[in-house]
Amino acid sequence: QSVLTQPPSASGTPGQRVTISCSGSRSNIGSNSVNWYQQLPGTAPTLLIYTNNQRPSGVPDRFSGSKSGTSASLAISGLQSEDEGDYYCAAWDDSLNGRYVFGTGTKVTVL
Amino acid sequence: EVQLVESGGGLVQPGGSLRLSCATSGFRLGNYAMNWVRQAPGRGLEWISYISGTTSVTKYADSVRGRFTISRDTAKNSVFLQMNSLEAGDTALYYCARDSLISTSSPYYFDHWGQGTLVTVSS
Repeated sequence: QSVLTQPPSASGTPGQRVTISCSGSRSNIGSNSVNWYQQLPGTAPTLLIYTNNQRPSGVPDRFSGSKSGTSASLAISGLQSEDEGDYYCAAWDDSLNGRYVFGTGTKVTVL
Repeated sequence: EVQLVESGGGLVQPGGSLRLSCATSGFRLGNYAMNWVRQAPGRGLEWISYISGTTSVTKYADSVRGRFTISRDTAKNSVFLQMNSLEAGDTALYYCARDSLISTSSPYYFDHWGQGTLVTVSS
């Protein structure tokens, strides 16, 4: 099972702000950068946020990331219908042999 | 334009083998680390393997270590995943993903993904 815990679901109406949490530990989020991936229905994942709070080119600035201690969060402001999909946090975990871990995933629904 | 195209998936019996390929274009493969990530039907993402760009350091998830082998051929611009001793739990869509330019010895973040190839392990 994943060592990064996310809420299974989040929802909002168009224009609202939605926040997704990602809880980890000292060996992953506490020691390494957090990245976020978006997976729209029926498509491959895409990079949404890297190195805690950086947006790749082409990602709207209504997506933002932050990290504090062993937790991170993704905020979507001005929610749009095309934002509906699954969101995963991820980080390198230094424990045991080392591994890249994804969060449990959060399904965002636009009401 | 960066492109990653996976192939080689299919139906295989438990205990069997498959070799997945990821054909890359639009960038110099030797400069980048590459990863394989899988997603079981209706489930989340699971990282399974990494190969660094310049030194070919490899890393594996515990779930596949000893059974799967990642490799690459820069002349063919391709990355491979040899999968042996397949189990029902390996059934998933397998994605090839390019790592960031700064990744040297472990995965960092994945900035480009392929569309995946489906592996089904069943008798």
